[in-house]
Amino acid sequence: QKEVEQDPGPLSVPEGAIVSLNCTYSNSAFQYFMWYRQYSRKGPELLMYTYSSGNKEDGRFTAQVDKSSKYISLFIRDSQPSDSATYLCAPKRTGGFKTIFGAGTRLFVKA
Amino acid sequence: NAGVTQTPKFRVLKTGQSMTLLCAQDMNHEYMYWYRQDPGMGLRLIHYSVGEGTTAKGEVPDGYNVSRLKKQNFLLGLESAAPSQTSVYFCASTDNTGNSGANVLTFGAGSRLTVL
Repeated sequence: QKEVEQDPGPLSVPEGAIVSLNCTYSNSAFQYFMWYRQYSRKGPELLMYTYSSGNKEDGRFTAQVDKSSKYISLFIRDSQPSDSATYLCAPKRTGGFKTIFGAGTRLFVKA
Repeated sequence: NAGVTQTPKFRVLKTGQSMTLLCAQDMNHEYMYWYRQDPGMGLRLIHYSVGEGTTAKGEVPDGYNVSRLKKQNFLLGLESAAPSQTSVYFCASTDNTGNSGANVLTFGAGSRLTVL
């Protein structure tokens, strides 16, 4: 079983839609949950991260972690064409050196 | 401030040839990583280093070697390239201060390698 599972998509939505991106993980030692955004032919960049369970909001983006079900979500409100990218979830345990990545979900927002 | 710089950006090799990818960072980061990215597989860790002179294996180390002789540089070598090593390679770095638990990664722009 992979440590992190993420549906690679692609996911296509109209502009203004609410987008839900999700991952599941198997290692209960993960405490940090990062979301990276990667535009085509670029390197990934950190979008936001949460520590342990709960929600974190940053503008139109909300990250949510449910440790009881080992489920990670990223919500995008009022999606824009500029949000078209691949979104990678990346959990990590405290004190570890390695960040594990999901397969990445490719998102297309149509104008 | 350049961040993480990877060279070359593109390379085409024939099976059996060797090459080295260079990663340089100017942020004085302790940790450096090499990942490969293939369609539908996400980023997979090849090797990593937690300081000058140290290296360790990641998830998919076979067929690759690395060296970290200077803190700012992390080299990835392919001794005898195979078509299965056709991929996009990303270098990343982070420090262990500030957001010490998260260790947010700064990535380079990637090196696209094709092995014929």
